[in-house]
Amino acid sequence: AQSVTQLGSHVSVSEGALVLLRCNYSSSVPPYLFWYVQYPNQGLQLLLKYTSAATLVKGINGFEAEFKKSETSFHLTKPSAHMSDAAEYFCAVKKIGGYSTLTFGKGTMLLVSP
Amino acid sequence: NAGVTQTPKFRVLKTGQSMTLLCAQDMNHEYMYWYRQDPGMGLRLIHYSVGEGTTAKGEVPDGYNVSRLKKQNFLLGLESAAPSQTSVYFCASSDTSGRWSYEQYFGPGTRLTVT
Repeated sequence: AQSVTQLGSHVSVSEGALVLLRCNYSSSVPPYLFWYVQYPNQGLQLLLKYTSAATLVKGINGFEAEFKKSETSFHLTKPSAHMSDAAEYFCAVKKIGGYSTLTFGKGTMLLVSP
Repeated sequence: NAGVTQTPKFRVLKTGQSMTLLCAQDMNHEYMYWYRQDPGMGLRLIHYSVGEGTTAKGEVPDGYNVSRLKKQNFLLGLESAAPSQTSVYFCASSDTSGRWSYEQYFGPGTRLTVT
């Protein structure tokens, strides 16, 4: 069974600083990986996904993530944080093929201070 | 194109009452899902469906039932609500083909409180 670990339930950055949200996965086979964002009182929105093509994936709002098989990681980064990036971020994993469903991490709340 | 919609947005139930949450999608997606979100727990899958007339258990199915009588609708039922079912419930849907296969589209959520 696959699983996802997000390190840090809360991450605080200053506006303009680098954003780094960590995600490590556990899977018996190479998976698909996703990052979702949830703004207050809203549903989840897909930021980006890795589906075994390029290992560096670019998403919306300036975010990107790099798939590193050797480290079983898929960390989310953004060079310069904006106040509007304050939200909760979820990493998710899916086994390739079949009807397997997404398994979500517990989420990381990103706090951005002026 | 409304995407995924959920009804109702808020609900308060007393212990032992029953209710049904409705999810509808207009994207002709085959797969539909019900999750619950609790603080510090992320999203946990309750039940899912891979097509009209099919349902399957997820990670936390106890106390819930589902039905998928029409492709565009996925119903989540609570037969006898308990305080432990106080949560935010999200419905999602996904397609099975093409470049964006398996991307899940989420509804806005239903906030349920059981007293």
